[in-house]
Amino acid sequence: GESVGLHLPTLSVQEGDNSIINCAYSNSASDYFIWYKQESGKGPQFIIDIRSNMDKRQGQRVTVLLNKTVKHLSLQIAATQPGDSAVYFCAEKRTGFQKLVFGTGTRLLVSP
Amino acid sequence: EAQVTQNPRYLITVTGKKLTVTCSQNMNHEYMSWYRQDPGLGLRQIYYSMNVEVTDKGDVPEGYKVSRKEKRNFPLILESPSPNQTSLYFCASSLGRDRVSNEQFFGPGTRLTVL
Repeated sequence: GESVGLHLPTLSVQEGDNSIINCAYSNSASDYFIWYKQESGKGPQFIIDIRSNMDKRQGQRVTVLLNKTVKHLSLQIAATQPGDSAVYFCAEKRTGFQKLVFGTGTRLLVSP
Repeated sequence: EAQVTQNPRYLITVTGKKLTVTCSQNMNHEYMSWYRQDPGLGLRQIYYSMNVEVTDKGDVPEGYKVSRKEKRNFPLILESPSPNQTSLYFCASSLGRDRVSNEQFFGPGTRLTVL
């Protein structure tokens, strides 16, 4: 598959564990924060988003937490599976701009 | 099947030889965008289009051109490619007249190498 980066921070977990992927942001003027998943050889895929006036949002097996005080975003994956192995990107939709700004990504490796 | 397609998927070319990477979507999306992905830099937006005949620069537009003559197509043109344009390119589309949607649908990527 395509290599998306040789310098990515990597999180290694065992199958069944919970994973927490973190993202720090610097711009306070963002409407939304979004998580994308990129599997090897594929384009990024939307996972979940959270509006900037919320602290927590849950999806199927995923939870996103937003701490605006310290400008920190996290994605929690429950009962991590081998199929969750991928690169995860956080992104921001900044107020007044018609684009998403992506972070550099974190590689999640799930071992059986 | 709803999808974004890109062609070619892989391309090796030489400096200065004009090339076009095509992008097509069948979801009737207004918004389309091009990104490049480089190690350690994440995804950076090159150009985007809010609708037919409406295009605008992203963060790294130098050396690229785009056009949006039809809603479904958004080709990326490199008039005179240089080695620093060696990268993995993604096209994306989303719903959203006059605004970008959080959920963008990405194509499979085009790996471009410029020698």
